[in-house]
Amino acid sequence: GAVVSQHPSRVICKSGTSVKIECRSLDFQATTMFWYRQFPKQSLMLMATSNEGSKATYEQGVEKDKFLINHASLTLSTLTVTSAHPEDSSFYICSARAGRTLYEQYFGPGTRLTVT
Amino acid sequence: AQTVTQSQPEMSVQEAETVTLSCTYDTSESDYYLFWYKQPPSRQMILVIRQEAYKQQNATENRFSVNFQKAAKSFSLKISDSQLGDAAMYFCAYRSFETGTASKLTFGTGTRLQVTL
Repeated sequence: GAVVSQHPSRVICKSGTSVKIECRSLDFQATTMFWYRQFPKQSLMLMATSNEGSKATYEQGVEKDKFLINHASLTLSTLTVTSAHPEDSSFYICSARAGRTLYEQYFGPGTRLTVT
Repeated sequence: AQTVTQSQPEMSVQEAETVTLSCTYDTSESDYYLFWYKQPPSRQMILVIRQEAYKQQNATENRFSVNFQKAAKSFSLKISDSQLGDAAMYFCAYRSFETGTASKLTFGTGTRLQVTL
């Protein structure tokens, strides 16, 4: 089956630093990847959609200069949280959609970011 | 814009019993997909079941089935013979039939299901 990995699974960083989260599709080519944010006991909030080789499309209210998304290849997308602050602490989940299936999104296991 | 509403923040069911989780949605589109996802304590999102709006037949996956009422914009999930492993957060989600950026999922707020002995 289609597998999506995320690295790291947990990260703690100091306020003001930047942190990069990787999302990889392991056994399929992901034409589109999605980045979500999930606060405790809440739903998933879509942050941005990225297509391979093009700029990401950010949802309203998401600061694109703060959350940098790069989808450089068909198997890798990265989310960089720049100048992180404690309010950026959250659970970040990526998902990937393969071109061959129009509806299925495969989710990564998530990354817990804690900013101290 | 599409919206998805789950009006039951928490539900509880006894093992081996049946439980139904509710979901309603709002859309002006005629073609779309609906999903139920399960998020256990591990936080890994797992697809439970999918329904294409153009199909009248309700989707079924083993112990999981849906009651899709297109006119009422309702999409409930029935879990039969509940098991302890079914305990999780369940999210209803909507996806447009269109490709491209419109293919994003819109999630409901979730229903936490407890399974008791």
